[in-house]
Amino acid sequence: EVQLVESGGGLVQPGGSLRLSCAASGFTFSSYWMSWVRQSPAKGLEWVASIQPDGGEERYVDSVKGRFTISRDNPKNSLYLQMTNLGAQDAAIYYCAKAGSGWFEYWGQGTLVTVSS
Amino acid sequence: QAVVTQEPSLTVSPGGTITLTCGSSTGAVTGGHYPYWFQQKPGQAPRTLIYDTNNKHSWTPARFSGSLVGGKAALTLSGAQPEDEADYYCLLSYNQVEVFGGGTKLTVL
Repeated sequence: EVQLVESGGGLVQPGGSLRLSCAASGFTFSSYWMSWVRQSPAKGLEWVASIQPDGGEERYVDSVKGRFTISRDNPKNSLYLQMTNLGAQDAAIYYCAKAGSGWFEYWGQGTLVTVSS
Repeated sequence: QAVVTQEPSLTVSPGGTITLTCGSSTGAVTGGHYPYWFQQKPGQAPRTLIYDTNNKHSWTPARFSGSLVGGKAALTLSGAQPEDEADYYCLLSYNQVEVFGGGTKLTVL
């Protein structure tokens, strides 16, 4: 059974940083593209970033380029999102998602990021 | 960035049929946008129903189908059930940039 469990969310001050993690199980992690998608009441669902199975290619939505970094540790079956210079517009539930049959075949349950002073 | 448009809300009667649509600010939606459809119920993560226009996952109920109609992607629900009441989101791919629509709140009433 595919499982994706996000962690690392929490309250952070504007301008601060946070690192999200996604622990994957139930499939060969190193064989699949992985992504982060966020959801906020203001902006709805928004694709954030994706990373190639071997980590060689990364893709980002324009609004996070230069501030967020997606990465993965295949031996640890883990996906990460390093977020810096956070602003109110980054407050959201962050989901990790596995590609497969389609770009977002499976989703985790999400981790909440709150940006506030 | 392209804007993906959906009906904000729709209502369908139990057992009825309804079509949700997904349009693009850049023009007609084609198979090259690899349209996706997701269902989300309150307090839950989204769940993918349809990928690449009309492909279903093993968990996608047979009453859901995807297509291209009139320059838009479409999700048709035939024989609506009470459990189909949810938010539905489409997603289109634009040269390696994925853009979600604003979602359609579907009421089964």
